[in-house]
Amino acid sequence: AQSVTQLGSHVSVSEGALVLLRCNYSSSVPPYLFWYVQYPNQGLQLLLKYTSAATLVKGINGFEAEFKKSETSFHLTKPSAHMSDAAEYFCAVSLNDMRFGAGTRLTVKP
Amino acid sequence: EAGVAQSPRYKIIEKRQSVAFWCNPISGHATLYWYQQILGQGPKLLIQFQNNGVVDDSQLPKDRFSAERLKGVDSTLKIQPAKLEDSAVYLCASSRGQGYDDGYEQYFGPGTRLTVT
Repeated sequence: AQSVTQLGSHVSVSEGALVLLRCNYSSSVPPYLFWYVQYPNQGLQLLLKYTSAATLVKGINGFEAEFKKSETSFHLTKPSAHMSDAAEYFCAVSLNDMRFGAGTRLTVKP
Repeated sequence: EAGVAQSPRYKIIEKRQSVAFWCNPISGHATLYWYQQILGQGPKLLIQFQNNGVVDDSQLPKDRFSAERLKGVDSTLKIQPAKLEDSAVYLCASSRGQGYDDGYEQYFGPGTRLTVT
C-alpha cells in the first residue's frame, strides 16, 4: 500500500528565507502526489499536484515541488517565505486511496 | 463555483450522545469523502461515496458511525453513541473523478470540529 512520510513536524523560517518541506512517498507504481495547505479552522486547500506530466510542478502562492523518482521524494519549496505562508502543510499520495502525511507546521518569523 | 459546504462548524456534546454532520459537495462532483482529522494528524478517510453508492467504508467504525448520501448529492455522517476519542475535525471533500487513479484532486469543506466531553 502507498504511504507518505513528512520529515519534520515543525519548520520555522524567517520571512524572506527559503521554505523547504520534505515529503517521501512509498508506492509500487508511480502515484499521483499532492500538497495541501490548511489554515487554522479551515479545510485543506490544494497547492499543487503531480500527475506525471512534468517532474517540476508549480502551484499557487509561489510554491513548487519536484518529483524525484530515484529518491521517492516530492519536496515542497518556496524561494521567499511570507508571513501569510504560516499554516499546516500536508503531503498526500493517491493510488488505490488517498493517504495523507502527518503534516508539517510552518512558522514564519518576522 | 461554490465550494464544499459543511454544518455545523462546531459541536460540543457529552459522551454517549449522538451527533450528525451535514455536507453539500460541489455541484457535479460524483465522489464524496468523509475524513476524520485528529489533532496533530493528517486526515484519515472514513467513507467514500460514488454518486449514492459506498465505494470504501473499511475504516468506518460501523458500530457507532453511519453515513448516507441520498440522491447522490448531500451527505450526512452520524455518530451514535459518541466516545471521547471521537473528538476531532470531520472533513468532507468532493472530487469530479470517480477513482483515485484519475488524478482528480479533492476539494475540502471547512470541517466540523467535534468536542466530546
